[in-house]
Amino acid sequence: DGGITQSPKYLFRKEGQNVTLSCEQNLNHDAMYWYRQDPGQGLRLIYYSQIVNDFQKGDIAEGYSVSREKKESFPLTVTSAQKNPTAFYLCASSTGGQVNTGELFFGEGSRLTVL
Amino acid sequence: QKEVEQDPGPLSVPEGAIVSLNCTYSNSAFQYFMWYRQYSRKGPELLMYTYSSGNKEDGRFTAQVDKSSKYISLFIRDSQPSDSATYLCAMSNPMNYGGSQGNLIFGKGTKLSVKP
Repeated sequence: DGGITQSPKYLFRKEGQNVTLSCEQNLNHDAMYWYRQDPGQGLRLIYYSQIVNDFQKGDIAEGYSVSREKKESFPLTVTSAQKNPTAFYLCASSTGGQVNTGELFFGEGSRLTVL
Repeated sequence: QKEVEQDPGPLSVPEGAIVSLNCTYSNSAFQYFMWYRQYSRKGPELLMYTYSSGNKEDGRFTAQVDKSSKYISLFIRDSQPSDSATYLCAMSNPMNYGGSQGNLIFGKGTKLSVKP
């Protein structure tokens, strides 16, 4: 079955530690995205990538880093510089192209808790 | 003024009721309008998709876009307990290629509970 796999589902981190969230898709989509979801805040775009080896900052990129070395994979690292990292993180993909027409396919999310 | 406004609810209705969910927006350049449904602790899934103005119907769901009022709606007829979820509106401006503005802008979501 085609889809997006995020891991781990739940993650606990001590303050000051970096953590990497995995996102893999087998939909053959060009574009991939990372969103953060907080209660009452909706979805906020962290980073996105429209093609391999290229990515752009979204609205809240500070304290995060990404890589896009393979079409299928778009890992997100939450660094110690992120002041408030406890959140639900969602990875998504789309067929891409020049515009985002909105048909995003989401993974099941990773819930990060900083202790 | 935020680009997309959506009442977070929560909204509680009895089974069988007609549900109306709404979003307003400020950017007249938005052309694509979507509704996503998100069950608890899951990722959102695309429910309805509309380009420009008009209505679109899919089973018990109807999406309406009124660009003159910058207002979109999702109606759920004969609501079921399985419709209990958070509903997120989203929209995009296809002309802003190359910038993050070309990506989706989401509302905060409305939490719906349908009681049996």
